[in-house]
Amino acid sequence: EDQVTQSPEALRLQEGESSSLNCSYTVSGLRGLFWYRQDPGKGPEFLFTLYSAGEEKEKERLKATLTKKESFLHITAPKPEDSATYLCAVTGGSEKLVFGKGTKLTVNP
Amino acid sequence: GAGVSQSPSNKVTEKGKDVELRCDPISGHTALYWYRQSLGQGLEFLIYFQGNSAPDKSGLPSDRFSAERTGGSVSTLTIQRTQQEDSAVYLCASSLGLPGAGNTIYFGEGSWLTVV
Repeated sequence: EDQVTQSPEALRLQEGESSSLNCSYTVSGLRGLFWYRQDPGKGPEFLFTLYSAGEEKEKERLKATLTKKESFLHITAPKPEDSATYLCAVTGGSEKLVFGKGTKLTVNP
Repeated sequence: GAGVSQSPSNKVTEKGKDVELRCDPISGHTALYWYRQSLGQGLEFLIYFQGNSAPDKSGLPSDRFSAERTGGSVSTLTIQRTQQEDSAVYLCASSLGLPGAGNTIYFGEGSWLTVV
């Protein structure tokens, strides 16, 4: 059974304080790993898809990396507007995404 | 519209009543998903439609839950005889094809269901 574990559950940073979020996964034949951002009361917003170990993608202050067992979402010099819950999901042989419970990030000014 | 549209955005219903939640996917998207998100929990897969294929219903929690997709577009999720544990956000998503084939899954804003 595909599983995704995200850590930490919650992270509080000061503006400008860089950090990383972790997503550990177990899947039979990874076909894709996805990062989403979810603001309170909103649906998840797509950020990145990674397909193979060693792949990296960047968007503004965010950089996602992938190994054979985990993915990291690195946040460089975060701003208060980066505060959100970040969700990780994987897909293996089936068509559906299996999600972790997310990391709630708070960036204080 | 440009994105996935869901209605109603909020629904309060009495225990035992039936509810219907509607989803309009992005135009041209053949794949449609329903997920449920309870407070403090991750997204839980419910059901998946792809074109004219039989839907994957493996995530439906009980026979009180059903979904249909008419004309390959609009989908309705029906919950019969609602229970308090059905209170959650029901999220609909759509994509051009399989996520493992390079397709992005886009989510709607969700329908917030409260059973009292």
